[in-house]
Amino acid sequence: GAVVSQHPSRVICKSGTSVKIECRSLDFQATTMFWYRQFPKQSLMLMATSNEGSKATYEQGVEKDKFLINHASLTLSTLTVTSAHPEDSSFYICSARNARDSQETQYFGPGTRLLVL
Amino acid sequence: AQSVTQLDSHVSVSEGTPVLLRCNYSSSYSPSLFWYVQHPNKGLQLLLKYTSAATLVKGINGFEAEFKKSETSFHLTKPSAHMSDAAEYFCVVINQAGTALIFGKGTTLSVSS
Repeated sequence: GAVVSQHPSRVICKSGTSVKIECRSLDFQATTMFWYRQFPKQSLMLMATSNEGSKATYEQGVEKDKFLINHASLTLSTLTVTSAHPEDSSFYICSARNARDSQETQYFGPGTRLLVL
Repeated sequence: AQSVTQLDSHVSVSEGTPVLLRCNYSSSYSPSLFWYVQHPNKGLQLLLKYTSAATLVKGINGFEAEFKKSETSFHLTKPSAHMSDAAEYFCVVINQAGTALIFGKGTTLSVSS
């Protein structure tokens, strides 16, 4: 089956630093990738959708200058949390879909837990 | 706007007993609905999906769900719980454009021996 990986799985950083999270589709080409944020005991909230080679589409309320998304290849998308603050601490999950899949099909990565001190 | 409401934040069952995880949906159109499971340190896994074909949908690991339009519900059931079923379960609806998944708040299922 389709596998999506994320790296790192866990990261701790100091306030004010930037953190990059990678999302890779290991055995398929991901034309579309999604980034979600999950707070403890809460739902996944879609942050942005990115199509390979084009700019990401951000959901309302998500700061595009703070959460930089790059989808430069068909197997890799990155999320960079710039100038991270403690309130950015969360669980970040990516998912991916390829062009042959139906619209609702997404394959999820295992998530990255970010803690900003 | 479309949404899903999971009626229980936590459900506890004994191994071998039935599982019922409740989900109500709100949608102005005929929705596509899903149940996902999230185990610790693993990616979300699709259990089953309803896309306006049969109202009773069978999924993986013995789970099934029934779409009831009159009750706007899509409850997840399993006849006999296993210890390995302990996880977080999300009821999900796709938006009208078909471009984004909208997640419920999740139900934590605990299974005791």
